[in-house]
Amino acid sequence: GAVVSQHPSRVICKSGTSVKIECRSLDFQATTMFWYRQFPKQSLMLMATSNEGSKATYEQGVEKDKFLINHASLTLSTLTVTSAHPEDSSFYICSAKTPYAEAFFGQGTRLTVV
Amino acid sequence: GDSVTQMEGPVTLSEEAFLTINCTYTATGYPSLFWYVQYPGEGLQLLLKATKADDKGSNKGFEATYRKETTSFHLEKGSVQVSDSAVYFCALSDLRSGRLTGGGNKLTFGTGTQLKVEL
Repeated sequence: GAVVSQHPSRVICKSGTSVKIECRSLDFQATTMFWYRQFPKQSLMLMATSNEGSKATYEQGVEKDKFLINHASLTLSTLTVTSAHPEDSSFYICSAKTPYAEAFFGQGTRLTVV
Repeated sequence: GDSVTQMEGPVTLSEEAFLTINCTYTATGYPSLFWYVQYPGEGLQLLLKATKADDKGSNKGFEATYRKETTSFHLEKGSVQVSDSAVYFCALSDLRSGRLTGGGNKLTFGTGTQLKVEL
């Protein structure tokens, strides 16, 4: 299957700093990318959907000024957690797809804010 | 809204044991149902899917049947192996009530069930 690479796999940052997570589709062009977060013992929750070249669509309750998503090319989307706080500590997962095809997922990023 | 409920883990089995991981859903439309698997250190991979009632998805010895009457999509395998140890996620995608954004389909996930298979 197609490969989606997410980087970094783990990151620890200080409270108040920003963290950028990258999601790359390595062997296909992803027209749509999704960002999820997962708290312990809870479901993966969709945060936002992004289409190449346009603004991301955020789910209700997700702060778009805090979670900045950029989908500048067909192979790269980034999620920036701005002014991170301990409550932002979570597991973040991206997925990428082309129209009418299944979504492929990255390995996930474990963010810890101290 | 749409939701998926799956049994809590971890589930610990001996090799060659029979596996069932329960999954039920609620959806306002006509969902497609999926099982994803996440092996340690890797991303989620699609394991199997079913797009309409009574469909059976199967892959790598795993099976799940789309039961509309019980709104269920239980995952089964007759004889598990140590290499099946992973986290399994049940999910649905509803084309009618979900969001279509430039060809993207929203997936609603369950909490995941960790499976540990021991020798």
